[in-house]
Amino acid sequence: GAGVSQSPSNKVTEKGKDVELRCDPISGHTALYWYRQSLGQGLEFLIYFQGNSAPDKSGLPSDRFSAERTGGSVSTLTIQRTQQEDSAVYLCASSQLPGTEAFFGQGTRLTVV
Amino acid sequence: GESVGLHLPTLSVQEGDNSIINCAYSNSASDYFIWYKQESGKGPQFIIDIRSNMDKRQGQRVTVLLNKTVKHLSLQIAATQPGDSAVYFCAENMGYGGSQGNLIFGKGTKLSVKP
Repeated sequence: GAGVSQSPSNKVTEKGKDVELRCDPISGHTALYWYRQSLGQGLEFLIYFQGNSAPDKSGLPSDRFSAERTGGSVSTLTIQRTQQEDSAVYLCASSQLPGTEAFFGQGTRLTVV
Repeated sequence: GESVGLHLPTLSVQEGDNSIINCAYSNSASDYFIWYKQESGKGPQFIIDIRSNMDKRQGQRVTVLLNKTVKHLSLQIAATQPGDSAVYFCAENMGYGGSQGNLIFGKGTKLSVKP
């Protein structure tokens, strides 16, 4: 596709359930980023993938959060045993190289009830 | 009780005036900076970028200024229009290679344009 695609666009889940959020980056982009944005807040860095290098997981808030990137393309962010404080918009971005313009998807709005 | 969230700083300008949005970045080793615009319900949209070997870069109606001495970045919008109303974020990146490539965002400024 022409841009970064995220799915689902909205997700409502019950507290304690696991969720998977998907990101399809722009083809050929080697860098992929996940962020979390709570209502009216800034972008909180979660995790960063660059090529075949080990991901930078320094922003993941707890061990309930994990992410993988298969084949250097699609990425999945998994949240286990969701809590109400996990409710936020989860944004994915990709860039051709680190240190170049990053393009964002429209985000997945996660609501934990 | 302790506040658990921060309200975004707000800049209110009259349509047609120039706007200046400021950002203090954190890492003196950062060598690439981006300004993003985020409208309600949408992902951030690239506006303009600048590398640390420059102190000024101009685009269409926008100018970014970089002061590395005080780690300060600003975005100037000329002849502000109602469509410029959004939240603006600066982001810093430590440049090419390995784990230094992640993009860290500032807190954001809400720009409100009065007709």
